[in-house]
Amino acid sequence: AQSVTQPDIHITVSEGASLELRCNYSYGATPYLFWYVQSPGQGLQLLLKYFSGDTLVQGIKGFEAEFKRSQSSFNLRKPSVHWSDAAEYFCAVGAGGGADGLTFGKGTHLIIQP
Amino acid sequence: NAGVTQTPKFQVLKTGQSMTLQCAQDMNHEYMSWYRQDPGMGLRLIHYSVGAGITDQGEVPNGYNVSRSTTEDFPLRLLSAAPSQTSVYFCASSALRAEDTQYFGPGTRLTVL
Repeated sequence: AQSVTQPDIHITVSEGASLELRCNYSYGATPYLFWYVQSPGQGLQLLLKYFSGDTLVQGIKGFEAEFKRSQSSFNLRKPSVHWSDAAEYFCAVGAGGGADGLTFGKGTHLIIQP
Repeated sequence: NAGVTQTPKFQVLKTGQSMTLQCAQDMNHEYMSWYRQDPGMGLRLIHYSVGAGITDQGEVPNGYNVSRSTTEDFPLRLLSAAPSQTSVYFCASSALRAEDTQYFGPGTRLTVL
């Protein structure tokens, strides 16, 4: 069965600083990987996804993520965070449309310090 | 397009009551699913459907029923609510290819007393 680990429950970053959120996955085949963001009281919005090709993927709001098969990782990065980036971030792995749906990590809560 | 819509936004039930959470999408997506979100647990799949007339269980199906009579609608039924079902429920839809994005509704916050 597939699984996702987000090692950091909370991360605090100063506004303007760089950000890296960690995600490790377990999946038997080539994974389909996603990062979603959830603002307080809101639904989930897709930031970016990887399913093949270039291992560095660009997303919305200035985010990027790098797929590293050897490390089973899909870490999310942003060079300079803004106060509006404060939210909950979820990494997910899945086959899409199939029995497994999406398997989510438990999330990382990002706090932005002024 | 409205995307994925869910009603109600908030609901309070007493133990043993029944209710239906509504979910609709206007993107002609074949795949629809229900997740529940609990603090520190991420999102967990309850039920899913790959088309009208076809449903199946996810990771945490107990206490929930679903049906899919149309492509657009995928209601989630709680037949006898329990406090353990207090959660935020999200509906999602996507096309059927593995790389297709799942689009999420705004969620329903359910409290069972």
